[in-house]
Amino acid sequence: TQLLEQSPQFLSIQEGENLTVYCNSSSVFSSLQWYRQEPGEGPVLLVTVVTGGEVKKLKRLTFQFGDARKDSSLHITAAQPGDTGLYLCAGARPTGNQFYFGTGTSLTVIP
Amino acid sequence: EAGVVQSPRYKIIEKKQPVAFWCNPISGHNTLYWYRQNLGQGPELLIRYENEEAVDDSQLPKDRFSAERLKGVDSTLKIQPAELGDSAVYLCASSLGQGPSRANVLTFGAGSRLTVL
Repeated sequence: TQLLEQSPQFLSIQEGENLTVYCNSSSVFSSLQWYRQEPGEGPVLLVTVVTGGEVKKLKRLTFQFGDARKDSSLHITAAQPGDTGLYLCAGARPTGNQFYFGTGTSLTVIP
Repeated sequence: EAGVVQSPRYKIIEKKQPVAFWCNPISGHNTLYWYRQNLGQGPELLIRYENEEAVDDSQLPKDRFSAERLKGVDSTLKIQPAELGDSAVYLCASSLGQGPSRANVLTFGAGSRLTVL
């Protein structure tokens, strides 16, 4: 049983469409991170959010941390084929050195 | 600066054989993690080291898995004997280990893909 549930599990969209990925838990985290992983590689950090309600933008990607620090969302505007990959959220617990990963969202952007 | 280095990248073995994976973390990173990842799913923690001490190994199947981190730098993860269900990607990651901090993030290696036949 994983601490963080992501939805949807799979997402296939056309280039130019918008999408949102959700990361939910009943636990509180000291910080929440989003990673993207491409085939044959390890996950690569996209962003870290630490404050409840925090919103961070990275070009066409917008990340939000829930007010209670239990959930997060990732919104991509005008998706491009280069956005294709496995998106993972990860929550840091008590000491901050324990990282628990979500179930993953596999995104495919069709040209 | 080199990132987290793992070897081998790929390993194919028959069940009941032993296998070992090696990880060299980023220089200065005190915390080292071994994760197991099945296709299309999120990584699951096997063991976490703070320097040379294993501080979280509750998810490590200790009957067949073992790990060590000598001198608090490189680490080795071993499986003996391997079972069919062990087929997965084994990821090593390291972090500064500074506790709750925006700077405390994971840097991953490329992973070692294990196939057990």
